[in-house]
Amino acid sequence: QSALTQPASVSGSPGQSITISCTGTSSDVGSYSLVSWYQLHPGKAPKLMIYEDNRRPSGVSKRFSGSKSGNTASLTISGLQAEDEADYYCCSYAGSYSWVFGGGTKLTVL
Amino acid sequence: QVQLQESGPGLVKPSQTLSLTCTVSGGSISSGTYYWSWIRQPAGKGLEWIGRMFTSGSTNYNPSLKSRVTISLDTSKNQFSLKLSSVTAADTAVYYCARSSEYSTYYFEYWGQGTLVTVSS
Repeated sequence: QSALTQPASVSGSPGQSITISCTGTSSDVGSYSLVSWYQLHPGKAPKLMIYEDNRRPSGVSKRFSGSKSGNTASLTISGLQAEDEADYYCCSYAGSYSWVFGGGTKLTVL
Repeated sequence: QVQLQESGPGLVKPSQTLSLTCTVSGGSISSGTYYWSWIRQPAGKGLEWIGRMFTSGSTNYNPSLKSRVTISLDTSKNQFSLKLSSVTAADTAVYYCARSSEYSTYYFEYWGQGTLVTVSS
């Protein structure tokens, strides 16, 4: 199992939209509709933002959306806000009851 | 609202066993169809899934750690635990406990805040 590939950092100004990519393989991202995304703020519990590729949990802003094409999943945040500044991690089921995460992306709101 | 809180020694010597506990509040650890997981994040690196345990006692472990990992439940204390043996500096990380969703076991719905464990003599 190799970690999923994410850009180390992305940035955007308030109100803009950004997209974070998450590239895996045909054994994980490409095989299952089971990509999830997590938001990590320092010192706080990670928060589930997207599950099953594009489903949003109750309570998560509609500004967050997920998509997938082939072996690459994406998280899009529209209408960027200062509080969106955090680290974001993708995760995929990798078969045989195992999971693989991405290396994480640091989002900076300029 | 379910809450999880990790606890345990912040410093472990090389070759020893790392032991952490996750205390669950807001719900019984033995009720429902939940999986209880451990996930870690080495400094400057991404998250790594360690393993999980079902309320029935069945377990799944990351193949790369399987030989050193044991996850167990203590229903009387509403806790679950992680033991990682023969630790090295590479096991230095923030360790998180997490719970799956009621509707799907394939993502992590609730997490603890994490606890830093340093492996050093």
